[in-house]
Amino acid sequence: QKEVEQDPGPLSVPEGAIVSLNCTYSNSAFQYFMWYRQYSRKGPELLMYTYSSGNKEDGRFTAQVDKSSKYISLFIRDSQPSDSATYLCAMSDPYSGAGSYQLTFGKGTKLSVIP
Amino acid sequence: EPEVTQTPSHQVTQMGQEVILRCVPISNHLYFYWYRQILGQKVEFLVSFYNNEISEKSEIFDDQFSVERPDGSNFTLKIRSTKLEDSAMYFCASSDLWGDSSYNEQFFGPGTRLTVL
Repeated sequence: QKEVEQDPGPLSVPEGAIVSLNCTYSNSAFQYFMWYRQYSRKGPELLMYTYSSGNKEDGRFTAQVDKSSKYISLFIRDSQPSDSATYLCAMSDPYSGAGSYQLTFGKGTKLSVIP
Repeated sequence: EPEVTQTPSHQVTQMGQEVILRCVPISNHLYFYWYRQILGQKVEFLVSFYNNEISEKSEIFDDQFSVERPDGSNFTLKIRSTKLEDSAMYFCASSDLWGDSSYNEQFFGPGTRLTVL
């Protein structure tokens, strides 16, 4: 069963704080792990993706994947008020044979960064 | 910057009526998707479409739903007889052709909010 669990929050932090967002999953076939950002009444926008296990850094954002624990994280350093949004983790199994690469999303964590 | 567009932004309909949600994917993309998000719930996959046919569909995508690419630019989702529980945000997405070793991002449109009364 493709299932992704994400603590929906909400999460409120002061400006400049380090934010940690997490997801767990049950399907070991997932190979691509994504973090999307969604502003109110907008479509999800890709922040970062990681293939298999490991870390990836992009500016203030770091994504980590631990496939042995089926656990992924997104860290935001020096958080800014503009980071206030809902963060969605998403995963896909590109080798399922179905040929579509559908994304399975977590519920999203609503983050507020207070100036 | 190319983007996925969707129309209308908000659709209100009566239960039992047919609705068509429209999407214009990014022009050189080959895979097209519909997702939905019920208020307060997860974004859920509905269907994917490639080479003029459905690649994969979820359990949600039953006989009441259909998709079509009527011309070279539009991608539509039709709900034949809407139910109250179809009220949700519907997102269209598109991506380039997947390679064996590369990741191709799914680009999402802004969504159509469907309200069934």
